[in-house]
Amino acid sequence: DTAVSQTPKYLVTQMGNDKSIKCEQNLGHDTMYWYKQDSKKFLKIMFSYNNKELIINETVPNRFSPKSPDKAHLNLHINSLELGDSAVYFCASRGAGANTGELFFGEGSRLTVL
Amino acid sequence: SQQGEEDPQALSIQEGENATMNCSYKTSINNLQWYRQNSGRGLVHLILIRSNEREKHSGRLRVTLDTSKKSSSLLITASRAADTASYFCARSDTGRRALTFGSGTRLQVQP
Repeated sequence: DTAVSQTPKYLVTQMGNDKSIKCEQNLGHDTMYWYKQDSKKFLKIMFSYNNKELIINETVPNRFSPKSPDKAHLNLHINSLELGDSAVYFCASRGAGANTGELFFGEGSRLTVL
Repeated sequence: SQQGEEDPQALSIQEGENATMNCSYKTSINNLQWYRQNSGRGLVHLILIRSNEREKHSGRLRVTLDTSKKSSSLLITASRAADTASYFCARSDTGRRALTFGSGTRLQVQP
C-alpha cells in the first residue's frame, strides 16, 4: 500500500526520444509536485498541481509537459530528450489545506539519456 | 528563489557520537523542515519547525531555528550506522507553495 508510487523506477533512452513518467498517490492529497534531483543531489521544483490545476511552473523547458488527469495522478512527459535531462525525478504530494506542511515523496525515477 | 546552504557537505562520525548539520537561508519562512534520503530512495520527512518556534525534539532528533540569523540546525544524538543517509533542510517560504531544498549533508556513521 505504497503512498506515492512512480513508474518506471529506471529509464534508459536515446537522445531525441520522448518518454513519460507516471505518478499516483493514494493519500487523498490535493497537491502534487515534480522535483528534479541532479547528480550533485540538488533538488529543484519543476511543477505543481492542485486539484488538477497547474499552480507552479518553474523555468522548465517546454519539452516537459505535466498532465494531471485527476488529483491522484500526475504524469510527466518529456519530448526530444537531451543529455542534460539525465537525473532522478521525484513525485511528491501534500495534503489539503496544508500549503506549508510536509511532503510525501515517491521513490524516484532515474532517467538516463544516452 | 535561492537554494539554502547546508554545511558540512559531508560528515563522517563513529557510532554513538552526535551529528550536527546546519542550514542557512535568506528568505522569510513559514516553517523549516528536515528530510532524510537513503541512497537510491525517496525523501522522508523527519521534523518540521515553525517560524515562531525555537527548538523541537523528536526521538533522537533535535532541531533549532534562529530566524534572526536565518539558520537552523539538526542534531542527531547517539548516532547509529542506520542513520547513514543524506539530510536536507527544506524551507516553506512565505507566499510560495513549494518547498525549497538545501544542498544536503551526506552523513556516514561508521559502526
